[in-house]
Amino acid sequence: SQQGEEDPQALSIQEGENATMNCSYKTSINNLQWYRQNSGRGLVHLILIRSNEREKHSGRLRVTLDTSKKSSSLLITASRAADTASYFCATGTGANSKLTFGKGITLSVRP
Amino acid sequence: DTEVTQTPKHLVMGMTNKKSLKCEQHMGHRAMYWYKQKAKKPPELMFVYSYEKLSINESVPSRFSPECPNSSLLNLHLHALQPEDSALYLCASSGGLRGTGELFFGEGSRLTVL
Repeated sequence: SQQGEEDPQALSIQEGENATMNCSYKTSINNLQWYRQNSGRGLVHLILIRSNEREKHSGRLRVTLDTSKKSSSLLITASRAADTASYFCATGTGANSKLTFGKGITLSVRP
Repeated sequence: DTEVTQTPKHLVMGMTNKKSLKCEQHMGHRAMYWYKQKAKKPPELMFVYSYEKLSINESVPSRFSPECPNSSLLNLHLHALQPEDSALYLCASSGGLRGTGELFFGEGSRLTVL
């Protein structure tokens, strides 16, 4: 069963704008990760945030984690057409030692 | 070298065929995974190998048979598949053994069952 639930399911923005994607989950986690998948390709790990962290940055990416609300957000600043992809949040729990992926968000960045 | 290599990229097989998907990594990772992904859906975990031993089988039908010949290789043997098994099969590896760390994915093998 899916743990993470991304919101919105689809997002279309203009190049240069910021994109914000949200993920909610149900149970306690060890960490939360974000992955990107270009159409028909493999997934690429973007960033991992641990349960005791609140915010993390990596280049144009900023991820926040609110464990009290069981939610995370991924912000991509100054988006580019190359950011067009599906984005998945994935939660890791200690109970079963495996990642569970959310349904994904389709991001389209218009040139 | 941070690559996970999967072959073949595309595979078409009949329901009576026997075929194999292969995955290779040279990052020294001791955990390797098979995921199945249908169109517009998230990846679903199938199997996890830890130190070349099967540690998780997500109740996958026996027509899928995983094998880990050594720490760098992971195979998925396919036999008597059904058309609904058509999907993108993704291999991944991780340096941690808990399965909740960063995963490195291959580009996938696109399987079509006729």
